[in-house]
This record gives sequence, C-alpha cells and structure tokens, in this order.
Amino acid sequence: DQQVKQNSPSLSVQEGRISILNCDYTNSMFDYFLWYKKYPAEGPTFLISISSIKDKNEDGRFTVFLNKSAKHLSLHIVPSQPGDSAVYFCATQYNNNDMRFGAGTRLTVKP
Amino acid sequence: KAGVTQTPRYLIKTRGQQVTLSCSPISGHRSVSWYQQTPGQGLQFLFEYFSETQRNKGNFPGRFSGRQFSNSRSEMNVSTLELGDSALYLCASSPTGGGQPQHFGDGTRLSIL
Repeated sequence: DQQVKQNSPSLSVQEGRISILNCDYTNSMFDYFLWYKKYPAEGPTFLISISSIKDKNEDGRFTVFLNKSAKHLSLHIVPSQPGDSAVYFCATQYNNNDMRFGAGTRLTVKP
Repeated sequence: KAGVTQTPRYLIKTRGQQVTLSCSPISGHRSVSWYQQTPGQGLQFLFEYFSETQRNKGNFPGRFSGRQFSNSRSEMNVSTLELGDSALYLCASSPTGGGQPQHFGDGTRLSIL
C-alpha cells in the first residue's frame, strides 16, 4: 500500500523559476518527513526535513511546507538551477525505525 | 569520511539462484536499512538492522533476508530468485536510525535472466 504518494512522475521548469514538488501521505500519525534527491547511478542524498510540530523549514534555496490537515507536503526550490535536475523522493518515518518513500518525481530544469 | 559502500555494483543471476549483497556503513553508524527500487515504485523498505538485530521488516516474502555483523556491516540475501527481483538494491546507514536522515550507497543493480 502506498502510504506516501508523489502523483507527478515528472516536472519541467525553466532555470531561475520556482520548482514545486508535491507529496501526499495517508497516515496522520506520521510525524517526520524528509526529502531526498537522487542523480542517476548514485544513491539518494538527504536534502531537507520537517517535523510535524512545524509547518515550514527553510535551507537556502530549498523550503519544505507541511499541511497536516491536508496530509500534504511540498518542496519549493527557488531559484531552480540546471544542477537541480534529479529525481526527488519524499519520505516519512514509519513505526519508528523504517522509512516509507514516495515513487519519486523527476525534475528537469531547462537552461 | 568514507561513505556507504555496496558491493558488487552489478550482478546478473538466473531464476532460482540465490544472491548475497554486501553493505559497509559509514564508520560509527549502527543502523543499516535496505531498500528495493524499481521503476515507478520508488524505494520499498526491506528491513532495518541495529546492533546485529533486525528491528523492522517491510512487506517482502521470506526469500529476502539479512543480517548485520558486530562491525555494523550488513548483508542481504535473496533466495530462489524470480524475474521480478530485478531491481536496484540500496543500503542506507545512520547513527541510530529512528528516522534520522540516512546516507545511501550507490546501490547494487541486480538483473535476473
């Protein structure tokens, strides 16, 4: 069962514009969320996280927003750069010691 | 600081065989998790080990097993391989688990013929 859903398999944006990647989850008990970025032939790398006690966390060009009532989180990248082109996964901590990942969204930033 | 190392990087097997994949975590990391990545499915959690004990297991058949050694290195084993086991297998480590950001290896690409 897909407890974490990324409904957009791909997203294309122009360099300098905003990229918004979305993620929905099903279990209101999830309390910690992370975003990972993955380049081809490499493992995912951690990008940014947010706890359910917050609704926003910012790190440089990356901001994650959490809407608990809607069970929705989003990752904003501003401004987008060609080097941001990768697959982005959202993930949530489940049952304390395992992580559940979405299917990923492939972001392409065009020069 | 060396990252997470997975060996081998690529593996080709035939149906019915078994395979063992290896993962060396970052020094000092005691939690090791395994994931299967297939196109369109994202990362599916297999299991997590901490101090040689399996703490959690995902929804995979018993053909998938793992273990962790006293030096935190981990292996996963898949027996009676099926075509559907073709995937990228990723290992990730963190200091103690519990949702901490994980450091991933580059994976082992397993192909079943």
